[in-house]
Amino acid sequence: SQQGEEDPQALSIQEGENATMNCSYKTSINNLQWYRQNSGRGLVHLILIRSNEREKHSGRLRVTLDTSKKSSSLLITASRAADTASYFCATTRRYSDRGSTLGRLYFGRGTQLTVWP
Amino acid sequence: DTEVTQTPKHLVMGMTNKKSLKCEQHMGHRAMYWYKQKAKKPPELMFVYSYEKLSINESVPSRFSPECPNSSLLNLHLHALQPEDSALYLCASSQGGGELAGNEQFFGPGTRLTVL
Repeated sequence: SQQGEEDPQALSIQEGENATMNCSYKTSINNLQWYRQNSGRGLVHLILIRSNEREKHSGRLRVTLDTSKKSSSLLITASRAADTASYFCATTRRYSDRGSTLGRLYFGRGTQLTVWP
Repeated sequence: DTEVTQTPKHLVMGMTNKKSLKCEQHMGHRAMYWYKQKAKKPPELMFVYSYEKLSINESVPSRFSPECPNSSLLNLHLHALQPEDSALYLCASSQGGGELAGNEQFFGPGTRLTVL
């Protein structure tokens, strides 16, 4: 399976603390993305890191990618109660279809983050 | 407009009913997706449409029938569903092919489907 595996499955922290989630995968990838999902809602794209990148920042988010270990981490600094959500990593593989190059996502099982006020 | 809309938000149907889920985007995206998500699980890909043609069918039962009438619309027709088909159905879109393939997907809020 190309699906990512995330750990921990659940993380509970206090506001102001940092939250770190990890993702491992099994095959080569074109990029790796992180998505956030509030309970019962659609997913929101957070950040994309390409296979030739090692680290990327976006606001309070920091993502690392180690292709030799086939792993990625998402760090949320100075967490807030509003960060409470499920976080999914998704690896991307490109494929060809009728002369076009397309991409599909393979989602990890997710980490449920709870941030207490 | 960076939004993917889905209707209805909630749907309750019997096993003999026929219903349809609708998805719309006006971002000019050429790839559109249907996912199924059970509680506390990641989304599972069902179908991918690229340039209005079916590109991937993840061995989905024929009681789910996708349709892409034009580049902005994606439908999922439902017929003779089972209670185990109850789930959140998510639609997504992305820019599509070439160097943009595999980039960010934009998700709709989903349709919560309950099959009685």
